[in-house]
Amino acid sequence: SQTIHQWPATLVQPVGSPLSLECTVEGTSNPNLYWYRQAAGRGLQLLFYSVGIGQISSEVPQNLSASRPQDRQFILSSKKLLLSDSGFYLCAWSVRQETGELFFGEGSRLTVL
Amino acid sequence: GQNIDQPTEMTATEGAIVQINCTYQTSGFNGLFWYQQHAGEAPTFLSYNVLDGLEEKGRFSSFLSRSKGYSYLLLKELQMKDSASYLCAVKDSNYQLIWGAGTKLIIKP
Repeated sequence: SQTIHQWPATLVQPVGSPLSLECTVEGTSNPNLYWYRQAAGRGLQLLFYSVGIGQISSEVPQNLSASRPQDRQFILSSKKLLLSDSGFYLCAWSVRQETGELFFGEGSRLTVL
Repeated sequence: GQNIDQPTEMTATEGAIVQINCTYQTSGFNGLFWYQQHAGEAPTFLSYNVLDGLEEKGRFSSFLSRSKGYSYLLLKELQMKDSASYLCAVKDSNYQLIWGAGTKLIIKP
């Protein structure tokens, strides 16, 4: 069976510090991978998605970046965090972009102070 | 622009039935999803509708009317564990998911 895991689950970071969130998927090959951010009272915001190694599409201009160094690994990074980066970050995968549901990781709660 | 509307919050009684509505305006339509999200947790898939009509899955049912841009999620025999947020999402013509803000459902004994 397929599983998705992301970490860390929670983190508190000062403004201007770097960020690295990691996500791995097991039990499937060549998944589509996604990073979402969820702010209170708002819908999920797609940040990045990837259809293959090294292929990253950015949906929202910001100080965040994503990388996919391996088929089932997806990393969300920032060199300098802003207060507005606080939120609940979710990694997800799907079999194909056109069909099927998303499967989400556990989520990472980021608080920037 | 693209828009998904659903009520912010609803309250229902344990054992009762509740209907959560979702209306959408998107550029194209390639399916509508309902997800359940408990507080502090990730969303989990509940249902998928791409054709008009009712899809039933145990205590949960989802309905779609494409001509009206409308869907609802029906929860029967409510249990306390059904207290959660319910997210409506639509895949547009580019197969990108557009998400509603979610409906927080509060179940009272």
